[in-house]
Amino acid sequence: QKEVEQDPGPLSVPEGAIVSLNCTYSNSAFQYFMWYRQYSRKGPELLMYTYSSGNKEDGRFTAQVDKSSKYISLFIRDSQPSDSATYLCAMSVLPSGANSKLTFGKGITLSVRP
Amino acid sequence: NAGVTQTPKFQVLKTGQSMTLQCAQDMNHEYMSWYRQDPGMGLRLIHYSVGAGITDQGEVPNGYNVSRSTTEDFPLRLLSAAPSQTSVYFCASSYDPSGNTIYFGEGSWLTVV
Repeated sequence: QKEVEQDPGPLSVPEGAIVSLNCTYSNSAFQYFMWYRQYSRKGPELLMYTYSSGNKEDGRFTAQVDKSSKYISLFIRDSQPSDSATYLCAMSVLPSGANSKLTFGKGITLSVRP
Repeated sequence: NAGVTQTPKFQVLKTGQSMTLQCAQDMNHEYMSWYRQDPGMGLRLIHYSVGAGITDQGEVPNGYNVSRSTTEDFPLRLLSAAPSQTSVYFCASSYDPSGNTIYFGEGSWLTVV
């Protein structure tokens, strides 16, 4: 079993839909949870990060972490065509800024249809 | 503000050739790293550095060499290229050991034939 599993996709939704992206993990030592967005032929950019369990909201994006179930989610409300990208979950035991030792999911490609 | 700059963006190599992927950042970040991204595999850490003169191995270091002689530069060397090293390579940097903000470069597409 890989340390981080992510729904494989691809996912296609109409504009305005609520999108739910999910990852599960097996390493209970993970404390820091991140979502990265990656546009085609670009590097990943940090979208959200959460420490330990709980919810975090930023505009149309909500990140949820349930450490008891080893499950994280990213919700996108009122999805827009500009949200079309690959979304990667990532996790680390220590703050990733220290050594960038992130463990990534495989990524899911989202397409929002106008 | 250039951020994290990677060169070259595209490269084709023959098996057995060596080459260096360049990475430079102008943000005075102490922490730098190299990842590779393969279809169905996500990003995997190759090597990382917590400061000039200090490097360490990540998850998939075999076949790669790094050095960190300055804060700004973190080159990745392929010693003897193999088809299994065909991938997209991303350099990343960060400044805050207690934070989670990592800046990625735009990637280097490498094909080994």
